[in-house]
Amino acid sequence: DGGITQSPKYLFRKEGQNVTLSCEQNLNHDAMYWYRQDPGQGLRLIYYSQIVNDFQKGDIAEGYSVSREKKESFPLTVTSAQKNPTAFYLCASTGQANTDTQYFGPGTRLTVL
Amino acid sequence: SQQGEEDPQALSIQEGENATMNCSYKTSINNLQWYRQNSGRGLVHLILIRSNEREKHSGRLRVTLDTSKKSSSLLITASRAADTASYFCATGPSWGGGSYIPTFGRGTSLIVHP
Repeated sequence: DGGITQSPKYLFRKEGQNVTLSCEQNLNHDAMYWYRQDPGQGLRLIYYSQIVNDFQKGDIAEGYSVSREKKESFPLTVTSAQKNPTAFYLCASTGQANTDTQYFGPGTRLTVL
Repeated sequence: SQQGEEDPQALSIQEGENATMNCSYKTSINNLQWYRQNSGRGLVHLILIRSNEREKHSGRLRVTLDTSKKSSSLLITASRAADTASYFCATGPSWGGGSYIPTFGRGTSLIVHP
């Protein structure tokens, strides 16, 4: 089946630790995105990548980092510099240029203990 | 800042009734999309309407777009308990280079009682 996978589904982190969230897609999509969702809120863009080895900051990039070494993979690292990391994280991808529909992964819920 | 804002924030109806939710936005758009999110899950694309379209149907879904009022509505007819979810509108032009960066609203939480 084609799609986007995120792992793990639930993640617990102690304060001061970095943690990496996985996002993999086998849709052959060029663009990938990371969003953060807080309760009762919409999606806020953290980072996006249009092509391998290139990525851009979104609206709330502080305290996060990404890499795009392979087309299929776009991992997100939540660093200790992120002051309030507890949230639901969603990864998405978009196909060819000017194809605007986003395909989302199932999400990772991160809780800082 | 969030471009699209859904209204109402929450909607509670009985099975079989119609559900209407609205989305308002601020700047010019190329298209507007509606997504659905079940609790604790990712978003699922429902329908896309382009700026030169006024109405679009998909099964029990009907979407309208009024670019003069910068608003859209999503109508779910004959609702079912399984329609219980949050519904988001997403708006945006396409950025230069072909990458699409949509802006999402806060969503409408729909509860359909059996």
